[in-house]
Amino acid sequence: SFELTQPPSVSVSPGQTASITCSGDNLGNKYASWYQQKPGQSPVLVIYQDIKRPSGIPERFSASNSGNSATLTISGTQTLDEADYYCQAWDNSIGGVFGTGTKVTVL
Amino acid sequence: QLQLQESGPGLVKPSETLSLTCTVSGGSISSSSYYWGWIRQPPGKGLEWIGSISYSGSTYYNPSLKSRVTISVDTSKNQFSLRLSSVTAADTAVYYCAQIVVIDWYFDLWGRGTLVTVSS
Repeated sequence: SFELTQPPSVSVSPGQTASITCSGDNLGNKYASWYQQKPGQSPVLVIYQDIKRPSGIPERFSASNSGNSATLTISGTQTLDEADYYCQAWDNSIGGVFGTGTKVTVL
Repeated sequence: QLQLQESGPGLVKPSETLSLTCTVSGGSISSSSYYWGWIRQPPGKGLEWIGSISYSGSTYYNPSLKSRVTISVDTSKNQFSLRLSSVTAADTAVYYCAQIVVIDWYFDLWGRGTLVTVSS
């Protein structure tokens, strides 16, 4: 079965760069999306089609996808970026697959 | 501006069927560009895709839940619904409905979610 694995947590200092990886077999052959979820809120799409940002998402959010992993990068991290982040891809056999989630702490 | 809103009982007894409805407002559910999906999140845990449906009724289900899940659509009411049978405490979760962009299968708009607790 197709699974997506993320590190449970990432810590970053304000103004620095946070990188979150998402690993899955041949993930680079699928489109990866990323979601931000703050406590008590619904997930929000921050990246789609591997690298694209929806309207309203700051430019400090960028991403890549190649081989067996996708990466979400937050440049100049701000305290308001503190949240859980999930990657997601679509597998033709299973359907929608979400990553295990990464808690980003800004301190 | 398109909005999605989940509705349904917040408490379901074990072995019974969980039923939720998602109402789409500010736009039509009858678009070939989108599917409509259900995702759940147990307290303190990650996201799990349950299944998706097109406006014409084509469905995809998570294989791990397929035997218990039915998703249906009512275009006249601009709604789609989830039924999950034989629930247990493990089905306690916040249930979200979402719009899915078909071209690349990502969830671009989410409802606020509704907590469903399975308990006697």
